[in-house]
Amino acid sequence: SYELTQPPSVSVSPGQTASITCSGDKLGDKYACWYQQKPGQSPMLVIYQDTKRPSGIPERFSGSNSGNTATLTISGTQALDEADYYCQAWHNNTYVFGTGTRVTVL
Amino acid sequence: QVQLVESGGGLVDPGGSLRLSCAASGFTFRDYYMSWIRQAPGKGLEWVSFISSSGNTISYTDSVKGRFTISRDNAKNSLFLQMNSLRAEDTAVYYCARDPAAGRDFDYWGQGSLVTVSS
Repeated sequence: SYELTQPPSVSVSPGQTASITCSGDKLGDKYACWYQQKPGQSPMLVIYQDTKRPSGIPERFSGSNSGNTATLTISGTQALDEADYYCQAWHNNTYVFGTGTRVTVL
Repeated sequence: QVQLVESGGGLVDPGGSLRLSCAASGFTFRDYYMSWIRQAPGKGLEWVSFISSSGNTISYTDSVKGRFTISRDNAKNSLFLQMNSLRAEDTAVYYCARDPAAGRDFDYWGQGSLVTVSS
């Protein structure tokens, strides 16, 4: 089965840049998207089709996808960005989620 | 506005059954792929099943094949998940979610319904 691997945790200082990677075989050949989930809340889409932001998502969220790795970048990280982040892709008629990354803003 | 509201969760014995429902509003339900996604306590997201807009295409994750059945009623704007032969490892919050592009991502999620399988 297809797997997407993320680092368990990422720490970042306020105002700095956080980068979260998502690795999968030939992931760059597929579309990747990213979700943010805060405690007790449903996930929220923050990036789709590798680089696009849904309406209402701040510009500090950006994405890229090439080779075997997709990356979510949060520029000028704010305290309210502290959350779990999941990547996701479509593979062989199934949706695959990444293992998830907890972003801590120190 | 788009709303997805799950119901039907609860406590069930191992081997028991439960039927989840998801009521959709604020969009043309019959035009969209829909999915069930679950999250075990303290764990990550796991996609469970999807159904195409017409209901003709269905897929399941391996761990629920033969036990869970997804269905939809486009006339009633509703999505369902019939869960049989439940196991402790099925304990999770179950979310319904909308895919805006038929095999891409999920742009709207419900609030979730907790299913607990325990004796």
